[in-house]
Amino acid sequence: AQSVTQLDSQVPVFEEAPVELRCNYSSSVSVYLFWYVQYPNQGLQLLLKYLSGSTLVKGINGFEAEFNKSQTSFHLRKPSVHISDTAEYFCAVSKRIGTGGSEKLVFGKGTKLTVNP
Amino acid sequence: DSGVTQTPKHLITATGQRVTLRCSPRSGDLSVYWYQQSLDQGLQFLIQYYNGEERAKGNILERFSAQQFPDLHSELNLSSLELGDSALYFCASSTGRITDTQYFGPGTRLTVL
Repeated sequence: AQSVTQLDSQVPVFEEAPVELRCNYSSSVSVYLFWYVQYPNQGLQLLLKYLSGSTLVKGINGFEAEFNKSQTSFHLRKPSVHISDTAEYFCAVSKRIGTGGSEKLVFGKGTKLTVNP
Repeated sequence: DSGVTQTPKHLITATGQRVTLRCSPRSGDLSVYWYQQSLDQGLQFLIQYYNGEERAKGNILERFSAQQFPDLHSELNLSSLELGDSALYFCASSTGRITDTQYFGPGTRLTVL
């Protein structure tokens, strides 16, 4: 079964510090991986996604993530965070449903990033 | 602004009642997804429609149903409501493939008293 584990439920950091939000997935087949961000009282917004090719994926707002197949990880990083990055971040993996070819996204529990001045 | 609209923003109702949540996808998107976000279950996929037809089904209860209309807007119907149905319900839209970006609406917060 495919699942997603976000190892940290909360990550506090100071402004301009680097941050890494960890995500591990379990899957025996090739998957697509996503990071979404949810700002307070808003819907989710895609930060970046890994479909194939280069394992280093660059997204919006200066975020990047590295796909590591051997460690089944897809950690999100930013070298220098801003106050405005305070939000909840969700890792998601694609999962096939049944045998009909349909798929869905399975989301992790989320990591709340708080950037302090 | 994602281009996905959801109404209403807030809904307060009583146990046993029925409600309808509405979603209009981004212009050009054929697919609509419904998700439920709660503190204990996190973000759960409920159902996907593509061009009017059901494409994928997730953890959707039998008391819940959805449809997508010819103009591509979608409605999620929740009936025989229970306290545990209180949650944020999100709609997302995309062109339809799992690899495509899903654009989320602002959500409908449902409170069942």
